[in-house]
Amino acid sequence: DIQMTQSPSSLSASVGDRVTITCRASQGISNYLAWIQMKPGKAPKSLIYSASSLQSGVPSKFSGSGSGTEFTLTINSLQPEDFATYYCQQYNSYPLTFGGGTKVEIK
Amino acid sequence: QVQLQESGPGLVKPSQTLSLTCTVSGDSISSSTYYWGWIRQPAGKGLEWIGRIYTSGSTNYNPSLKSRVTILADKSKNQFSLQLISVTAADTAVYYCARENHGSDSWGQGTLVTVSS
Repeated sequence: DIQMTQSPSSLSASVGDRVTITCRASQGISNYLAWIQMKPGKAPKSLIYSASSLQSGVPSKFSGSGSGTEFTLTINSLQPEDFATYYCQQYNSYPLTFGGGTKVEIK
Repeated sequence: QVQLQESGPGLVKPSQTLSLTCTVSGDSISSSTYYWGWIRQPAGKGLEWIGRIYTSGSTNYNPSLKSRVTILADKSKNQFSLQLISVTAADTAVYYCARENHGSDSWGQGTLVTVSS
């Protein structure tokens, strides 16, 4: 299985901040990477696919980059609704696997 | 806009079979574009991909669960289902159904299944 390692596991930030989350794959996955936002009691939401493509309806303050084994998710101008847990997911090979998650909390 | 909704018992006894159904609206599971799958998350732990089914009926399962998992589709009801046999407390988790296209692009809200006597 491909192991996905996210860092940091949690971070505290203020409204208006820019935050960056990193995801590393144990082997190359080209750009077959998605970023998913999870909030308690709500359906998880896919934000980005193919490492850098925004899902329909996702605001442009979310951006993704990377290829191969290292990827980043950047959130510009953090707003209250952005405080959530973010996961990366590789879909290069089966089984699909996820990073351990990054919890973004209010400072 | 596609919507997915999980349903099924919230409590299952050890050694019995966990059965969940995902009802899809706003899209057809007969579509050749997507796969339809299941993912779970034990409390306080990470996400685990369980498996998926395609319109042809072909399936892919996580090797860690393959011996216990079956995913089936009912096109007439636009539903797909998960069966997990011989459950233990380790199978207690929130179970999500999801559409797969470039990863899991649409998810249900999830349903908590507790394995306990």
